[in-house]
Amino acid sequence: EAGVAQSPRYKIIEKRQSVAFWCNPISGHATLYWYQQILGQGPKLLIQFQNNGVVDDSQLPKDRFSAERLKGVDSTLKIQPAKLEDSAVYLCASSFGLVQETQYFGPGTRLLVL
Amino acid sequence: GENVEQHPSTLSVQEGDSAVIKCTYSDSASNYFPWYKQELGKGPQLIIDIRSNVGEKKDQRIAVTLNKTAKHFSLHITETQPEDSAVYFCAAHNTDKLIFGTGTRLQVFP
Repeated sequence: EAGVAQSPRYKIIEKRQSVAFWCNPISGHATLYWYQQILGQGPKLLIQFQNNGVVDDSQLPKDRFSAERLKGVDSTLKIQPAKLEDSAVYLCASSFGLVQETQYFGPGTRLLVL
Repeated sequence: GENVEQHPSTLSVQEGDSAVIKCTYSDSASNYFPWYKQELGKGPQLIIDIRSNVGEKKDQRIAVTLNKTAKHFSLHITETQPEDSAVYFCAAHNTDKLIFGTGTRLQVFP
């Protein structure tokens, strides 16, 4: 069974530029999550989708971050404009269901904002 | 909301020794507690989890214990091997979301 795929793996941009990350979840998984992991910390949930609907985006900085999951499968996370403090690893995870299901993580995209 | 504290932040053990990592949580509604292992440059990988209707779960060299009254849970790794070296995260899931601890960097010296 293929795991969660993410691209790109690494990205370096200058502040105020925009960047987008892509995630393909495990086939059949209805729930998709985006996490931000700052160096030395645990992952922090940014947004959670159930199929193509948003379940929780309470911790997403909506003035600069956006995410979509148009067909209920792949998802993109965008940052525009980026700030220095956005430097982090962005992890995508998926689970079969919604309530306390095991979450499977992708390898992450490491973002450096200069 | 939920808050998860994890200790210690770093742990060094000799190969063959045991390692114990402890976590506490604040929300009594939390009832699912996974543990993840994260190796350098990789995403977190689930190694074991426990639900609130059991007090202990074991999988080969790894075990997790849960004390709901005290709101704490622990990861036990026995007969540690160099390949166990990684960062370990505990997490607690209440009705809303999964909240992670701050991680424990485990180093196993041969």
